[in-house]
Amino acid sequence: GQNIDQPTEMTATEGAIVQINCTYQTSGFNGLFWYQQHAGEAPTFLSYNVLDGLEEKGRFSSFLSRSKGYSYLLLKELQMKDSASYLCAVRTSGGSYIPTFGRGTSLIVHP
Amino acid sequence: DGGITQSPKYLFRKEGQNVTLSCEQNLNHDAMYWYRQDPGQGLRLIYYSQIVNDFQKGDIAEGYSVSREKKESFPLTVTSAQKNPTAFYLCASSRRRSEETQYFGPGTRLLVL
Repeated sequence: GQNIDQPTEMTATEGAIVQINCTYQTSGFNGLFWYQQHAGEAPTFLSYNVLDGLEEKGRFSSFLSRSKGYSYLLLKELQMKDSASYLCAVRTSGGSYIPTFGRGTSLIVHP
Repeated sequence: DGGITQSPKYLFRKEGQNVTLSCEQNLNHDAMYWYRQDPGQGLRLIYYSQIVNDFQKGDIAEGYSVSREKKESFPLTVTSAQKNPTAFYLCASSRRRSEETQYFGPGTRLLVL
């Protein structure tokens, strides 16, 4: 099976930078996804990492270290609308290739 | 507009009743998925289908059933055997099973009366 660990909740100030970590233990790693989910809504795709390193996309960046089983999502210039749950999901090459989701990190941005 | 639709947004179930949640996509995606989300929990896979007339059990299939008679449609039935059905149900699709991105519908919240 897979073990995916994220902090349950984080708070940050508008305009600041926040880093949301995700650690995983799995065999046959085949990619890591980050999704954003506002309360009561569908998750929306943010990023996908399959190789080590940093992928930058506007205010959001995602980092992966396969040897450490570690990823983080970095949010810069935080806005109130960034208050949401952030889901880390890991895909493995054995079986269905369907990602397994972590419990999500609820981010609260305050003024 | 291409996308995934789910209906209804809210659904109430009486004890012992079967209910069916609708999921339709016009993205021409081959693969479709059903997830269940409980408070403080991640998404858990109920069933998935890679192609018409084929589907596979996910991690928590007991008490649920699906069909995939058309490429666009993947309805989920919550049967009376599912003893704790109250949850947020999300349908997703992707171009292929190994496609990078899953696209999610808006979800259906099921409540038991």
